[in-house]
Parts: sequence; C-alpha cells; structure tokens
Amino acid sequence: DGGITQSPKYLFRKEGQNVTLSCEQNLNHDAMYWYRQDPGQGLRLIYYSQIVNDFQKGDIAEGYSVSREKKESFPLTVTSAQKNPTAFYLCASSPRTGGANVLTFGAGSRLTVL
Amino acid sequence: SQQGEEDPQALSIQEGENATMNCSYKTSINNLQWYRQNSGRGLVHLILIRSNEREKHSGRLRVTLDTSKKSSSLLITASRAADTASYFCATDEAGSYQLTFGKGTKLSVIP
Repeated sequence: DGGITQSPKYLFRKEGQNVTLSCEQNLNHDAMYWYRQDPGQGLRLIYYSQIVNDFQKGDIAEGYSVSREKKESFPLTVTSAQKNPTAFYLCASSPRTGGANVLTFGAGSRLTVL
Repeated sequence: SQQGEEDPQALSIQEGENATMNCSYKTSINNLQWYRQNSGRGLVHLILIRSNEREKHSGRLRVTLDTSKKSSSLLITASRAADTASYFCATDEAGSYQLTFGKGTKLSVIP
C-alpha cells in the first residue's frame, strides 16, 4: 500500500539535544511538507520541498532543519535552538506543486522534551 | 500567513443528528479543503471545493462555499459515533499552492 511513514511515533529528548524525525513516502509525490501541531493552534508549516535538493522555509522554520536528498525522504531535525520543541509533528506529501494541492499525511511523531 | 478559522471550536451531538461546522478565511483563495483528524493521528482529506463552485457533495458530506463572505460550511448528515474527530479547513491563497489550516472543530458524536 502506498503511503507516508513517520518514525518514531514517540520521541523523548533532553534539553540541548538535536533529534531527527524521519518521513518516507512511496507515493511518488514531488512535494513534501512538515507541520507542527500544538493544542488549540491548528497546523503550522515548518518547511516544504517541491523537488529534490530544494526546500523552503515555512512560517516557523527557526530551530529546525531539513534535507531532501531523495524524492522519497524528507527528514526533519529539531535542533537545540528550538526553544519549545514539545509538539506533534506531521509530515505530508502532494503530487503537484500548483493547482489543487491535496495533501496525504503520515501518522505523526510526538516529541516530548524532558 | 492568513489562517482559516473554524466555528464552533467544539460540537457535541447525538448519533443520527446532523453536524455543521463553519470556516472563515481572509483573502482570495483557489480552493478550500476539509480534513479530518482522529485523536493522535494524521489528517485525512475529505473533500475539496474550488473557488468557482458553490456546493459539493460526497456521501454524507455536504460542503458549501460563499466567496463573497469568505466562508465555507461542512455538513455531516446522520452522524455516527465513528465521525468523532477534529475537522479542519485548509485554504490555498490565490497565487500560492501552500495550504493554510484553521484551528479545527472538535466533533463528539454520542452513541
């Protein structure tokens, strides 16, 4: 079955540590996205990528980094510079970068800073 | 970036009743979409309505769009306990393909 796989589902981090969240898709989608979800605040865009080796900052990119070395993969690193990293992180992909942009989401990764 | 706002924030109904959620947005859009999220899971796309459409149906879902009022509504008819979830509207502004999500309506359907 085609879809998006995020791992790990749960992750605990000590303050000052970097952590990387994995996102893999086998849908052959060109575009991939990372969103952060906090209670009562909906989804906020962190980074997105339209094509391999290219990505752009979203609304809340500070303290995060990404790479897009392969079409299937778009890992997100939460760095120690992110002041409040505890949140639910959602990866998504879409087949087009223009027109109707329907997203397919992964199941999410919940990061807790201890 | 602009964000859609859903109303109400929470809604509790009995099974079999209809549920109506509303979404307002601020700027011109290409399309408006509705997504559903079960607790602790990813979002699932439900329906898309284009800016030149006024109403769209999909099974028990009915979506309307009023571009003059910059608002949309999602109606779920004959609700079921399995419809319990959060529902989000998402818009892509004219000239952009990025989606902007609202804060969601949390629907509880009581058996």
